[in-house]
Amino acid sequence: QQQVKQSPQSLIVQKGGISIINCAYENTAFDYFPWYQQFPGKGPALLIAIRPDVSEKKEGRFTISFNKSAKQFSLHIMDSQPGDSATYFCAASRGDYKLSFGAGTTVTVRA
Amino acid sequence: EAGVAQSPRYKIIEKRQSVAFWCNPISGHATLYWYQQILGQGPKLLIQFQNNGVVDDSQLPKDRFSAERLKGVDSTLKIQPAKLEDSAVYLCASSSGPGREQFFGPGTRLTVL
Repeated sequence: QQQVKQSPQSLIVQKGGISIINCAYENTAFDYFPWYQQFPGKGPALLIAIRPDVSEKKEGRFTISFNKSAKQFSLHIMDSQPGDSATYFCAASRGDYKLSFGAGTTVTVRA
Repeated sequence: EAGVAQSPRYKIIEKRQSVAFWCNPISGHATLYWYQQILGQGPKLLIQFQNNGVVDDSQLPKDRFSAERLKGVDSTLKIQPAKLEDSAVYLCASSSGPGREQFFGPGTRLTVL
């Protein structure tokens, strides 16, 4: 069964806009929440990650917001650029580090 | 630093044929993973190696899939016989250890006709 649910499936944003992708999980044992970025023909690459002891983490234009009580976390891409057009996957793992991935969100940034 | 290498990049076979994929991880990475990524879905872990030992193969369809990492470096994933539903991208990843950042290869796109 899918342990991490991701939405939306796809989104289109204008250059300079904000992209928001949401993920929800059920397993309260998860303690590591990474986001991966994948370009066509490439493997996923780690973008940013968070652990449940903090509610927010920012790296450049990318921010993860984490809500432990709601079992939800989200990725915000600020000032979206055409080069950000890619598929984004959220994931989660527990102590054994086996990653469970969401289904992915295809982001298209219009110039 | 060279990344994770995979070959072939593309493979087309008929159902019931056999196919093998090869992966060479980043030098020094003890942990190696094989994932299956079906179109429109996230990667699903098939098998995880720590050096040449299997850590997790709970989602590997063992009746048709096999994998080995004999010398604890490169690895081979085999499908025999292939089914239509095996059409997917097979990703290899490696990390310096369990829980460390995983680095993914470009994947092998398999089409089963």
